[in-house]
Amino acid sequence: GENVEQHPSTLSVQEGDSAVIKCTYSDSASNYFPWYKQELGKGPQLIIDIRSNVGEKKDQRIAVTLNKTAKHFSLHITETQPEDSAVYFCAASWLTNAGKSTFGDGTTLTVKP
Amino acid sequence: DTAVSQTPKYLVTQMGNDKSIKCEQNLGHDTMYWYKQDSKKFLKIMFSYNNKELIINETVPNRFSPKSPDKAHLNLHINSLELGDSAVYFCASSPRDRGNTEAFFGQGTRLTVV
Repeated sequence: GENVEQHPSTLSVQEGDSAVIKCTYSDSASNYFPWYKQELGKGPQLIIDIRSNVGEKKDQRIAVTLNKTAKHFSLHITETQPEDSAVYFCAASWLTNAGKSTFGDGTTLTVKP
Repeated sequence: DTAVSQTPKYLVTQMGNDKSIKCEQNLGHDTMYWYKQDSKKFLKIMFSYNNKELIINETVPNRFSPKSPDKAHLNLHINSLELGDSAVYFCASSPRDRGNTEAFFGQGTRLTVV
């Protein structure tokens, strides 16, 4: 089955700095890679996703890159703000069954004002 | 309007009891899921279910069983609860349409077994 590794497990940055979270996956058949943000006491919420036919995707301060050959993908958050503080999960799945994802172990991001 | 709703939000119960967690989605999605999040925040899928197919993660004990009265509901039944079942359980749903893949999660049910 799929195995997703995520690093780092914790990340602390100063407000305004950039944050990068990296993930690797094992199953070359995976073709959908979502990123979820989980705030305290809430369920994970999709913030950005990327499909295997794309190398990079950007949405305002958030970007994701994918290297299918190396089987790794990364989340980049620029100009971080305190409200970006949360647990971030990467995941890998198939497009036809996106909810059946294998999740990374999560990264706790703290943005210091 | 709540997209995926779970009840109860908190559940405290004694070892050996049988309990259920309810989940409803009003998104018209075909597929629903149950995830378990342990104390270290690790998220693991337990079940994937649509009206044709139930896929069970082989690591899930058979004391756990999903029950779907209709397409919009997927309830989780747990028999003979154990201390190790304490966790946050998330219900989720997604469409099977390749053009729209986002999975929506409920707010979670924090289960504490004492």
